[in-house]
Parts: sequence; C-alpha cells; structure tokens
Amino acid sequence: NAGVTQTPKFRVLKTGQSMTLLCAQDMNHEYMYWYRQDPGMGLRLIHYSVGEGTTAKGEVPDGYNVSRLKKQNFLLGLESAAPSQTSVYFCASSTLAGGGPGWYFGAGTRLSVL
Amino acid sequence: GQNIDQPTEMTATEGAIVQINCTYQTSGFNGLFWYQQHAGEAPTFLSYNVLDGLEEKGRFSSFLSRSKGYSYLLLKELQMKDSASYLCAVLSYIPTFGRGTSLIVHP
Repeated sequence: NAGVTQTPKFRVLKTGQSMTLLCAQDMNHEYMYWYRQDPGMGLRLIHYSVGEGTTAKGEVPDGYNVSRLKKQNFLLGLESAAPSQTSVYFCASSTLAGGGPGWYFGAGTRLSVL
Repeated sequence: GQNIDQPTEMTATEGAIVQINCTYQTSGFNGLFWYQQHAGEAPTFLSYNVLDGLEEKGRFSSFLSRSKGYSYLLLKELQMKDSASYLCAVLSYIPTFGRGTSLIVHP
C-alpha cells in the first residue's frame, strides 16, 4: 500500500518550459488536491478534484492546469513555467471532504524555475 | 472567505509544555485539523476536532471552541524531535491551512 505517490521528486526548469507533475493514490479516495508551499506562506491550494472527471480552482490557480481522467491520478501541468512557480508542491487525497485523519500527503516535488 | 491566524514562531525548553493557538474565521465549518511538518518533509496528521472540547492523544492534546473560532494544540513533555512546524487547517467545503507555527525546542 503506497498511499500517495508524487513524481518527480525534484525538477529544474527553464523559464517558459512546460511540465506535468503526477500524483497517484491507491486508497480509492474521491478527493484530491494540489498545494504549493512557499516559505512563510503555509500550504496554498492550487486546484482540487471531488471525483473522476471533475476539477475546480483553489486559491492560486493561475499558470496551472489539472486533469483527473482516472480516479487514482491527479495531474498538475505548468504551461509556461515562471520563476514565481519555484516552490514545493504537495499532492493530497482524502475520503469525502475530509474528517479524521484528514488528508494523506505525498512526499512533495521540489521545483526550481530558472 | 477564510482567515486562519497562528503565531509565526515559538520557542520552548525540552521537558516543558507549550500551547500553540489558532484562530479562524470561515464561511463554513466541518472540522479543524492540526498537522506536524518537519523541514523538508510532508505534513503528518496530529489531531482532528469537530465538536467543542479537548481531544487527548498521548503527549498531544487539541482543544476547540467553535463559538470563539479558536483552537489550540498542547504539547507536553517536549522533546527535541518536536521541533517542527505545526499547521492549523480548517475544513469548510475545501480545506484551508494556516501559515504554520515554527516550534524550536532547545535543551
């Protein structure tokens, strides 16, 4: 039972390049989330999904797109990377809308945009 | 909208007790969570409160007052490994995290 798996773990991009971050969960969770974490800013929600085929915008969606074609996978895309997108990205999943123990997090993806 | 406030940094001595406060204003409420996050790692679940009162789990306890929009996390018998960031998160329709409190435990 792997829980929530994020790939890649590290990536360096040049400004303007594109990439996709993959999040996979094997717990049959309905809800999945993408967060970014910057120093002093806590976790900010980028996009989320309440089920297969559905996505919604969070607090900081600009510059990102997402897709949830399969229930177990939630993809985060950067269309044209900018230095402001240098951050640590965490994926999370949960049953329904939360409840104890809340969200299961992946190990994170450390992205640098030069 | 959502607004969650917690102190930026706290320091305490090994073996002591520390209380980390969290105040929130949200447009709905379905529960409050506390997470621990060590540097370079993912957050890990500590506690969940949905009703008023105190929830105790070993050295950690969490309190909630929904009418006051207030919670605290109480850490007893502090150990060096408790040095970490502690995140308060409120679940309305979607979860919102506070900015985290960095706790430094010194000998």
